[in-house]
Amino acid sequence: NAGVTQTPKFRILKIGQSMTLQCTQDMNHNYMYWYRQDPGMGLKLIYYSVGAGITDKGEVPNGYNVSRSTTEDFPLRLELAAPSQTSVYFCASSLGEAFFGQGTRLTVV
Amino acid sequence: KNQVEQSPQSLIILEGKNCTLQCNYTVSPFSNLRWYKQDTGRGPVSLTIMTFSENTKSNGRYTATLDADTKQSSLHITASQLSDSASYICVVSSPSGNTPLVFGKGTRLSVIA
Repeated sequence: NAGVTQTPKFRILKIGQSMTLQCTQDMNHNYMYWYRQDPGMGLKLIYYSVGAGITDKGEVPNGYNVSRSTTEDFPLRLELAAPSQTSVYFCASSLGEAFFGQGTRLTVV
Repeated sequence: KNQVEQSPQSLIILEGKNCTLQCNYTVSPFSNLRWYKQDTGRGPVSLTIMTFSENTKSNGRYTATLDADTKQSSLHITASQLSDSASYICVVSSPSGNTPLVFGKGTRLSVIA
């Protein structure tokens, strides 16, 4: 069972560059989430989705965009990377219990 | 506003000692509450789930309690081990079909020799 798969695991971006963090799940979960976690801090919700075609903002959505064209995939887009977006990003899916990916460590320099 | 508050924010204990972590929530309506363990640099993993009708549930050295009347939960760790060092996150879910999970900020536990 693959569960929730995130790619890439690590990435260094220059200020102003853009990138897409990929997330896919094979559990047919309707709910999917993107969180960021800064060092020593808790998880903060960026965006979530309750099903294909439906997305909603979380606590810290500024600077990010998402799409949910299929049940399996929930990519997170950074259009103009800023140093404040340096963080570890976790994707999760849930049907009651949340299952997390292994995280993407992003550094913006 | 649906919120989950955890205390303490961080905790340091000696190996072999017991500890208790607290979680208070305001999420309503309530479906269930889970405790997750997050090792540094990794995604959280579920330890235990508590539903409305359950008061106590154990998973090895971890025992979770739930008081649905006061909207409080605790996670008790017995005979702590160095490998228990992690963040412990309380997560509450609502039965509403369009409501995401509500996460606490976690308690960072350090077990030292």
